[in-house]
Amino acid sequence: EIVMTQSPATLSVSLGERATLSCRASQSVSSDLAWYQQKPGQAPRLLIYGASTRATGIPARFSGSGSGAEFTLTISSLQSEDFALYYCLQYNNWPPWTFGQGTKVDIK
Amino acid sequence: EVQLVESGGGLVQTGRSLRLSCTASGFTFRDYALSWVRQAPGRGLEWVAFIRSKTYTGTTEYAASVEGRFTISRDDSKSIAYLQMNSLKTEDTALYYCTRAPRLSIGATRYYFDYWGQGALVTVSS
Repeated sequence: EIVMTQSPATLSVSLGERATLSCRASQSVSSDLAWYQQKPGQAPRLLIYGASTRATGIPARFSGSGSGAEFTLTISSLQSEDFALYYCLQYNNWPPWTFGQGTKVDIK
Repeated sequence: EVQLVESGGGLVQTGRSLRLSCTASGFTFRDYALSWVRQAPGRGLEWVAFIRSKTYTGTTEYAASVEGRFTISRDDSKSIAYLQMNSLKTEDTALYYCTRAPRLSIGATRYYFDYWGQGALVTVSS
């Protein structure tokens, strides 16, 4: 089973600042990595798949990069609606599909 | 618009059974694999079960934590997926999400999860 590790657990950012979230896999997952955003009381929403492809309707301020075992989600200029939990998912080696434990982005 | 609506959640005692349903609309249900993902209160996301489309055998996969107790199935005529949960344990308490799983076939076959329902809450009490 591939273990996904996200860092940091919590990221405090000011409005308009850049946020950089990391996700590391215990072994290579190629580019088979997705990012999700989850707000309180809501279902996860797909942001990025294929490590860097934005899902339909996702604003350009969200970008993903990386391959192999190291991945990054960047939010270029934090908006108020971006404060949420973010999860990464590997879908290269399945089953099981495995998620990271999440990074909470909150207001500094 | 793609929609997934879960139902069937509730409070149940340990050892009992419950069946969740996921009613889909807005896409050709039979063409897609589906999965269930759960989230225990205040915790992260855990994949639970997966079913391929019948075009690709309709076979299933399970997390080790539920193998032998849970069964995923689908009724393409009704656009509904099910999760039959037997021998429930307190650690199965969670919000259960139904997700659509598009198939990627360039290279090895992979599936990721794009659309999610709002979830069905399952509480297992001793």
